[in-house]
Amino acid sequence: GQSLEQPSEVTAVEGAIVQINCTYQTSGFYGLSWYQQHDGGAPTFLSYNALDGLEETGRFSSFLSRSDSYGYLLLQELQMKDSASYFCAISGHYGGSQGNLIFGKGTKLSVKP
Amino acid sequence: EPEVTQTPSHQVTQMGQEVILRCVPISNHLYFYWYRQILGQKVEFLVSFYNNEISEKSEIFDDQFSVERPDGSNFTLKIRSTKLEDSAMYFCAQRGGRETYNEQFFGPGTRLTVL
Repeated sequence: GQSLEQPSEVTAVEGAIVQINCTYQTSGFYGLSWYQQHDGGAPTFLSYNALDGLEETGRFSSFLSRSDSYGYLLLQELQMKDSASYFCAISGHYGGSQGNLIFGKGTKLSVKP
Repeated sequence: EPEVTQTPSHQVTQMGQEVILRCVPISNHLYFYWYRQILGQKVEFLVSFYNNEISEKSEIFDDQFSVERPDGSNFTLKIRSTKLEDSAMYFCAQRGGRETYNEQFFGPGTRLTVL
């Protein structure tokens, strides 16, 4: 089966940089995705890594290393509105259909003034 | 920008009753998914649907669950005989089109409460 591990909580101050790590165990997958979820809201897509390396999208960057079974989400210039839960997810897995997401348990980020 | 919508936003039902959750997808997107999220826990994959057929389902998606596209556009998840542990947020999602193929667009969810 597949499993993804993330820290349960992270706290940072406004303007800082925070890194949320994700380690995974799987027999194979197409990509690692990151989703943001505010309390009571739906997950919203942030980033996707199919290949090893860094993907940058504005203040958010995501990294994948398949050889280390590891990825991270980097949030820069933190704002209060970034307080939310962040989930890493395996996107599709070998032997199954493409696309269905297997999520980690999520990291609750609290941004303090 | 088109959005996935879901109805109802909140459904309260008695244990053993049938519920139907509805999703109105973005047109021209082909892959559909249902997920659930028990309060405070992770999002869990239930089932994927492509070309009007189930393409994959998880262990959670047992015989009491079914999905249909009754009118070719709307998309439903039916739970035949609800149990207390079915209380959760249920999200439908769609895979993006060519430019956003690696993204999934989630609806706002239906909060199901089983009493």
